Amino acid sequence: QVQLVQSGAEVKKPGASFKVSCKASGYTFTTYPMHWVRQAPGQRLEWMGWINADNGDTKYSEKFQDRVTITRDTSSSTSYMELSGLRFEDTAIYYCTRAPRGEYWGQGTLVTVSS
Amino acid sequence: EIVLTQSPATLSLSPGERATLSCRASQSLSSLLAWYQQKPGQAPRLLIYDASNRATGVPARFSGSGSGTDFTLTISSLEPEDFAVYYCQQRSNWWTFGPGTKVEIK
Repeated sequence: QVQLVQSGAEVKKPGASFKVSCKASGYTFTTYPMHWVRQAPGQRLEWMGWINADNGDTKYSEKFQDRVTITRDTSSSTSYMELSGLRFEDTAIYYCTRAPRGEYWGQGTLVTVSS
Repeated sequence: EIVLTQSPATLSLSPGERATLSCRASQSLSSLLAWYQQKPGQAPRLLIYDASNRATGVPARFSGSGSGTDFTLTISSLEPEDFAVYYCQQRSNWWTFGPGTKVEIK
């Protein structure tokens, strides 16, 4: 069965960076792109970007364009999402979800930005 | 960016009642709209994709309709486990999500 398992919760200071991993299993990793979505407390889901797991091409939301980097390691079937220049409002749960339809999601990673 | 609006923001209903949720897009999506259910502390769950197709394992009481800019999610008879927040999402131009409709117990 398809599974996406994300790394654990993190606490970061303003201005720092974090990197979340998303390990895929149960399918051929390079067949499907991966999206990254976040949800701040009490807020709507927010699309951050996408990676073509086959060739590594990326597309980022304009909102995060300058601060986000999505990568993948095909040898370990893992996608990574790094966000830099953290602000308090980046406190959120970060999810990976498989394209094209978003039928499979990771369990989410809570990142707290606190001084 | 395609903007999605959802109405109502909150729907107060009793188990067994019919729920009708709306989603409107700022430009045509063709049929590239999905509906998700989210419960507290859980990841979203895909219910409907491409406007009217139920995802695997989704009960038949959930149905989707619409095309272009106006879409509807209908829950024919609410079960206790259906009280949650519902989001629409477009994948016509990358992804965006609507603000959500909370279906609460009346």
